[in-house]
Amino acid sequence: DTGVSQNPRHKITKRGQNVTFRCDPISEHNRLYWYRQTLGQGPEFLTYFQNEAQLEKSRLLSDRFSAERPKGSFSTLEIQRTEQGDSAMYLCASSQLAGISYEQYFGPGTRLTVT
Amino acid sequence: KQEVTQIPAALSVPEGENLVLNCSFTDSAIYNLQWFRQDPGKGLTSLLLIQSSQREQTSGRLNASLDKSSGRSTLYIAASQPGDSATYLCAVRPRTNDYKLSFGAGTTVTVRA
Repeated sequence: DTGVSQNPRHKITKRGQNVTFRCDPISEHNRLYWYRQTLGQGPEFLTYFQNEAQLEKSRLLSDRFSAERPKGSFSTLEIQRTEQGDSAMYLCASSQLAGISYEQYFGPGTRLTVT
Repeated sequence: KQEVTQIPAALSVPEGENLVLNCSFTDSAIYNLQWFRQDPGKGLTSLLLIQSSQREQTSGRLNASLDKSSGRSTLYIAASQPGDSATYLCAVRPRTNDYKLSFGAGTTVTVRA
């Protein structure tokens, strides 16, 4: 297994455009998380899925953001009508459903720049 | 709301010196604590995870301690090398049925050759 993968790695878009990011978790992991990280800060939780169910959303996730995990495998995060304040690194993580630690494993991130 | 603080924000040491990185959190009712490494522009690599019932965890040159009652964790890196230069983040998971991590802002370490 090659770990959590994210695509694209970099995205530059103009303000007002829509963007979509994809995350492929570790294959046996049932939980999938999205975080956002701005420069000089730690990641902030956005949302998480258990299988295909979206179980929690942060208040950071405005109406312009939507996340899906249609078949309980990969997930997409869409941002509509992007704003300059959306510029950040978007990180995906996954973890197992069972086990003691539920350790989260992170992908390489998608760097979004809104011009 | 859980607040996680890492001080100092940056640290520069000569090669060979031991590194001591601090993490403090406001709510001691945590499930576990994870230390991560992040290279510039990259994702996070998990280094160590300590359960709330544990006092320390070791992996090679890395040792992490946890004092839940005082809300502190320390990451020790022995005999630092230039390849250890990175940002180190700690994150706490609050409760058994709460899976989101709360992160500190990180300590950026530079190991001088």
